[in-house]
Amino acid sequence: EVQLLESGGGLAQPGGSLRLSCAASGFTFSSSAMSWVRQAPGKGLEWVSAISGSGGSTFYADSVKGRFTISRDNSNNTLYLQMNSLRAEDTAAYYCAKMVWVRAHYFDYWGQGTLVTVSS
Amino acid sequence: SYVLTQPPSVSVAPGKTARITCGGDNIGSKTVHWYQQKPGQAPVLVIYYDSDRPSGIPERFSASNSGNTATLTISRVEAGDEADYYCQVWDRSSNPLYVFGNGTKVTVL
Repeated sequence: EVQLLESGGGLAQPGGSLRLSCAASGFTFSSSAMSWVRQAPGKGLEWVSAISGSGGSTFYADSVKGRFTISRDNSNNTLYLQMNSLRAEDTAAYYCAKMVWVRAHYFDYWGQGTLVTVSS
Repeated sequence: SYVLTQPPSVSVAPGKTARITCGGDNIGSKTVHWYQQKPGQAPVLVIYYDSDRPSGIPERFSASNSGNTATLTISRVEAGDEADYYCQVWDRSSNPLYVFGNGTKVTVL
């Protein structure tokens, strides 16, 4: 059974930093691309960042490029999102999602999410 | 960036059919995926590759994609189908790479 468990969310001040983690199990982590997708309160889904299985390729939405860094530790089956220079508009639930990169790209499993609140 | 447009809400009586549209420029040339999100829960994949169902998703869920509109159809709607539904595409020439529709709230009357 695929399991994705996010942690690291909480309250941060504008301009501050947080590091999110996602512990994965139930599949071959190193073979799977992964993403972070966020959802602001009462709003829709917004893709944030993706990383290939090897970690050699990373992708970012323009809204977070230069501020957020995605990475992974395949030896510990863990995905990370380092978030710097946080803004109020980064307030959201952040979901870790396993991806399928065959023919087309989509998200086949999602974690339960971790809430990030950016406020002074 | 590529834009996907969904109706904000759809209402349907139990046992009837709900159709949720997802509009995009020549979306028929892309591959569309659909997610269901119930209140307080994470999204769940219900359709991938335009019309395929993951294991565990009822046959009542079907979808199509052509021209400028993709459609998710829920037949014989049940109370448990009440949720937000999102379409999604991958556009390698766009940023963001992965685009979601704005979401449709399905209300079972």
